[in-house]
Amino acid sequence: EIQLVESGGGLVQPGRSLRLSCAASGFIFDDYAMHWVRQTPGKGLEWVSGISWNSGTTAYAASVRGRFTISRDNAKNSLYLQMNSLRAEDTALYYCVKDRVIELDTKHASEIWGQGTLVTVSS
Amino acid sequence: SYDLTQPPSVSVSPGQTARITCSGDNLEDVYVCWYQQKPGQSPILVIYEDSKRPSGIPERFSGSNSGNTATLTISGTQAVDEADYYCQAWDASAAVVFGGGTKLTVL
Repeated sequence: EIQLVESGGGLVQPGRSLRLSCAASGFIFDDYAMHWVRQTPGKGLEWVSGISWNSGTTAYAASVRGRFTISRDNAKNSLYLQMNSLRAEDTALYYCVKDRVIELDTKHASEIWGQGTLVTVSS
Repeated sequence: SYDLTQPPSVSVSPGQTARITCSGDNLEDVYVCWYQQKPGQSPILVIYEDSKRPSGIPERFSGSNSGNTATLTISGTQAVDEADYYCQAWDASAAVVFGGGTKLTVL
């Protein structure tokens, strides 16, 4: 069974940092691109960042570019999101997502989603 | 980047056909995916590459993409299909874009 388990969320003050982790199991991790997608409670979905199978390509939403960094460790079957200079508008449930394909490209589809980890940015 | 526009809500009677649209400039030039999200649950992929169904998704779900509009069609809609539905596309600037979501009500 494919599983994605996020961790690292919590309450953090504006301007501080947080690192999210995602532990993957049940599939060959380095055969797929991975993503982070967030959702504000009661609102819609917002893609945050994506990374290709070998970390050769990364992409970011304009709202987080320069503040967030996505990375992966294929030896540990893990995906990460380093979030710096956090703002109140970053408050959301953050999902770890498995892609259908190996690269970041037009055939992208968010095939499997984790349960999410909640990040709250507030003083 | 793309702006994907969905109607906020769609209503359908049980057994009828529900159609949810997603509009964007020259949308037919890119692949569109659709996701279903029920309250308190993570989204589920129901259509990818415009019209393909992942394993386990019922045949009543279908998709199309032409011109500036992609459409998710649910034939013979059931009460269990009541959920929020989101379209999504890959933008030329190498980013993923979601539509605002449509709440499907099965009356």
